[in-house]
Amino acid sequence: GQQVMQIPQYQHVQEGEDFTTYCNSSTTLSNIQWYKQRPGGHPVFLIQLVKSGEVKKQKRLTFQFGEAKKNSSLHITATQTTDVGTYFCFNAGNNRKLIWGLGTSLAVNP
Amino acid sequence: DAGVTQSPTHLIKTRGQHVTLRCSPISGHKSVSWYQQVLGQGPQFIFQYYEKEERGRGNFPDRFSARQFPNYSSELNVNALLLGDSALYLCASSFMDSNQPQHFGDGTRLSIL
Repeated sequence: GQQVMQIPQYQHVQEGEDFTTYCNSSTTLSNIQWYKQRPGGHPVFLIQLVKSGEVKKQKRLTFQFGEAKKNSSLHITATQTTDVGTYFCFNAGNNRKLIWGLGTSLAVNP
Repeated sequence: DAGVTQSPTHLIKTRGQHVTLRCSPISGHKSVSWYQQVLGQGPQFIFQYYEKEERGRGNFPDRFSARQFPNYSSELNVNALLLGDSALYLCASSFMDSNQPQHFGDGTRLSIL
């Protein structure tokens, strides 16, 4: 069945360093969504990518959707302590099975 | 506008009991999805409902059931509780289906003793 793999599982950076998490699928994705979950909180929607090769930016965050629509990445430039949390990619699949990546937990040392 | 609301926030049950969790979506949202999240893991999909019809089901046993009401609120029922059912249960609403952004409630923390 369709799977979404997310790497790395954990990332520990110094404040000011960059951070990237990758999401890879075994099948072509119709779209991909990214969410952030702070410790003790619930997932919060960040962005949705739909088009092949799409790139979207939100301040220090850059989201990409691969040309083959099988992978996606989230890059954070110059991390801050407010970026701490777990970042998940999500795909609605065929809308019958909703698939989440395992998430990348980001820790930022001040 | 109110966000997604879930009740109760915390619940303690014993093995074999049953539980009902409730979710009210954002006004105007017609789709509700239920997830189970164990500490350190991503959300695991349980059910999705749209316009009171079940649209999708994850790999959970028949002890788990759900329904959506005419006002689009939803209930998740779990029977014959097991220790492994201890988790955070999240409800998410979206306007139509999960190809649109999902908005999550704060969840119900269920502990099974």
